[in-house]
Amino acid sequence: DARVTQTPRHKVTEMGQEVTMRCQPILGHNTVFWYRQTMMQGLELLAYFRNRAPLDDSGMPKDRFSAEMPDATLATLKIQPSEPRDSAVYFCASGPRGGSYEQYFGPGTRLTVT
Amino acid sequence: AQTVTQSQPEMSVQEAETVTLSCTYDTSESNYYLFWYKQPPSRQMILVIRQEAYKQQNATENRFSVNFQKAAKSFSLKISDSQLGDTAMYFCAFTNTDKLIFGTGTRLQVFP
Repeated sequence: DARVTQTPRHKVTEMGQEVTMRCQPILGHNTVFWYRQTMMQGLELLAYFRNRAPLDDSGMPKDRFSAEMPDATLATLKIQPSEPRDSAVYFCASGPRGGSYEQYFGPGTRLTVT
Repeated sequence: AQTVTQSQPEMSVQEAETVTLSCTYDTSESNYYLFWYKQPPSRQMILVIRQEAYKQQNATENRFSVNFQKAAKSFSLKISDSQLGDTAMYFCAFTNTDKLIFGTGTRLQVFP
């Protein structure tokens, strides 16, 4: 059963600490997305990659957030330093080749910054 | 700019009944894709159904079906024989590129 995996599922950290979230896309998918979901803002696209190359990170606060794909099976999202306003659920999603545009979401990482 | 509107913030339905969730969108494009995603209390976003704009036939997945009206830019989701497990937030989404544009969601409660 192919699915997107994310680690950790929950993270509680103190303000100022570095946070790293990891995502393993579905094998064979070539597009990876990072989203943030909050009650106030809903779902926001932070960044996405195709074939490991970053295509758009305009939704990401550049001063503290960074996203990478070290290889085709791993995407990372880092926050350094973290702030209380970063508390949210962070989703990774992957999409297949071929232009059908559907996205399959991971279970999310619930981040709490105190 | 494309927009997606879900005008029903909350809905409820009794188990085994049928419910329809509304979604309208705005675009000047002729070819695009539409999706419904389900987000249960677990927070997992689950792809329920997809529709390609160039296909006139409405998509169906088991108890879920859509009514796609391209001229009216309407894309409603019908859930037949509602089950308690259908209780969730439902998001309508549009794309003609890589990026999904989501509506604000409809919270559906299924009552026994």
